[in-house]
Amino acid sequence: KNEVEQSPQNLTAQEGEFITINCSYSVGISALHWLQQHPGGGIVSLFMLSSGKKKHGRLIATINIQEKHSSLHITASHPRDSAVYICAAFNYQLIWGAGTKLIIKP
Amino acid sequence: EPEVTQTPSHQVTQMGQEVILRCVPISNHLYFYWYRQILGQKVEFLVSFYNNEISEKSEIFDDQFSVERPDGSNFTLKIRSTKLEDSAMYFCASRGGESSGSPLHFGNGTRLTVT
Repeated sequence: KNEVEQSPQNLTAQEGEFITINCSYSVGISALHWLQQHPGGGIVSLFMLSSGKKKHGRLIATINIQEKHSSLHITASHPRDSAVYICAAFNYQLIWGAGTKLIIKP
Repeated sequence: EPEVTQTPSHQVTQMGQEVILRCVPISNHLYFYWYRQILGQKVEFLVSFYNNEISEKSEIFDDQFSVERPDGSNFTLKIRSTKLEDSAMYFCASRGGESSGSPLHFGNGTRLTVT
């Protein structure tokens, strides 16, 4: 069983739609990361959460420590948001989810 | 904004050759990491490094792998005798502190192709 599970694996949506990507983890963590991987392969850290909610522009990340669940939301999605979004649980090392491939169509 | 720099961006090598992948972490960071991603697969942890020694390593990080921080700025990953299955994207990351308030910063990766 994977320690970090993401859903969905693939998501295609129209420009402007509200996007939700979910992440569940089974290990104890000190923080949860949401990362973005572009088609060229580079990884960018979007959020690091240990509780509650964080917002950056059109991106919102929430975490429920008791339920071991986190969500990444994108409001007013745009084709440039197309990327792989990865959730990773941190406890001395990162345990990576498999990623959600998001395609936003114009 | 300071960033983690990796060189080269792409390395092609023959099976059995040694390769050194280089990373320059953010200057005041204390914790350093190497990850790899085989094409089409998820990112995997290789090794973490703190205070000039390995703090954790995965099963992947066998005797063929080594890491060094030779001069206080570079952080290198050496693969002694490359195998075809070492072909992957290798990412370096660094963080300032171990607490949950210290985010990871990633380099853009080195794509290693072993032929």
